[in-house]
Amino acid sequence: SQKIEQNSEALNIQEGKTATLTCNYTNYSPAYLQWYRQDPGRGPVFLLLIRENEKEKRKERLKVTFDTTLKQSLFHITASQPADSATYLCALDNNQGGKLIFGQGTELSVKP
Amino acid sequence: DAGITQSPRHKVTETGTPVTLRCHQTENHRYMYWYRQDPGHGLRLIHYSYGVKDTDKGEVSDGYSVSRSKTEDFLLTLESATSSQTSVYFCATYRTGDVAGYTFGSGTRLTVV
Repeated sequence: SQKIEQNSEALNIQEGKTATLTCNYTNYSPAYLQWYRQDPGRGPVFLLLIRENEKEKRKERLKVTFDTTLKQSLFHITASQPADSATYLCALDNNQGGKLIFGQGTELSVKP
Repeated sequence: DAGITQSPRHKVTETGTPVTLRCHQTENHRYMYWYRQDPGHGLRLIHYSYGVKDTDKGEVSDGYSVSRSKTEDFLLTLESATSSQTSVYFCATYRTGDVAGYTFGSGTRLTVV
């Protein structure tokens, strides 16, 4: 069956360091992979989308890589700040009308 | 959350009663979705719509129905609420194109007692 896994443990890092979050998937060939941020009591917010033919995508302090051979995406936040503390979700899209499959999310905590 | 309004934000209901959750969008997006989010399961798709009167089932559709009579409104109905339907429900729209991605509402926290 299709499966998508993110770091189950919360990630605690020091302000200014780079946070790296992992998303692995099996039995799936997504056309796109997306990353979302979710704060407590709020809906997820779209951050980045990367296509299967793209290796890397950047947006300000965010960087996403997509390795379709390893079936893995890495999400990096450079120069992390306490305001980056949130849960980050990855989602797979096989280009069938936007029906995404979400991972369970990784909780990131950035300490000052 | 601009452009998507969910109502109510919180609701407590009794087992066996019908419940309708509302989602209203001002984005004029064709695609709309209902997800539920539970600890240990993440977000799971309940139903989705590709346009007015065009809906289909998602991964966890049992016990739920939807209706879309206008582009801007997508209703989720629990015909006879059960305790297993206690959850946070999110509505989302999907924009296509170069910046494809979901826009989510703020969610409805539903408790079935």
